[in-house]
Amino acid sequence: AQSVAQPEDQVNVAEGNPLTVKCTYSVSGNPYLFWYVQYPNRGLQFLLKYITGDNLVKGSYGFEAEFNKSQTSFHLKKPSALVSDSALYFCAVRDAGYGQNFVFGPGTRLSVLP
Amino acid sequence: GAGVSQSPRYKVTKRGQDVALRCDPISGHVSLYWYRQALGQGPEFLTYFNYEAQQDKSGLPNDRFSAERPEGSISTLTIQRTEQRDSAMYRCASSPRLAGGVLSSYNEQFFGPGTRLTVL
Repeated sequence: AQSVAQPEDQVNVAEGNPLTVKCTYSVSGNPYLFWYVQYPNRGLQFLLKYITGDNLVKGSYGFEAEFNKSQTSFHLKKPSALVSDSALYFCAVRDAGYGQNFVFGPGTRLSVLP
Repeated sequence: GAGVSQSPRYKVTKRGQDVALRCDPISGHVSLYWYRQALGQGPEFLTYFNYEAQQDKSGLPNDRFSAERPEGSISTLTIQRTEQRDSAMYRCASSPRLAGGVLSSYNEQFFGPGTRLTVL
């Protein structure tokens, strides 16, 4: 069975500092990994994904994520946080050999303080 | 262009009533997904369609829940005999095919704004 963990409910970071939102996963086969962001009263928006190839993937709004197979992690990062990055972030996984059922993590609330 | 739309945005109903939630995906998107999201949690998969065919309904909680997409576009999620535990945000998402017409399990999903269901 697939599962996703986001060990931090809340991450606080000062504006201009680097940010990291953590995600670990479990799948039987090869993972497809995704990050989505949810702003208040809005639907989820796609940020980036890892399918295969380079372990460092770059996405929207300056975000990037690093796939680490040995640690089964896919942490979201940004070199310099903005106040406007404050939102709810969800990691999601799909087992490449299992079909099209996404499993989402519980979410991490990011607060960027001015 | 227009995104995924859902209606109604808010639905309040009494326990025991049936409700129908509608999803209008992005035009041309082949795959359509339904999720349920409790407050403070991530979306929970319910079911999905490729075209009009329901591919996986393993996430539907029980037989009071059903979904259809008869013409491969608009989809309806129906909850019969609603219970208070059904109260949640119900989200729909759609996903395109890849160039060349290939369906892929690694396309990103485009989410609608959701329908907030409250069962009294």
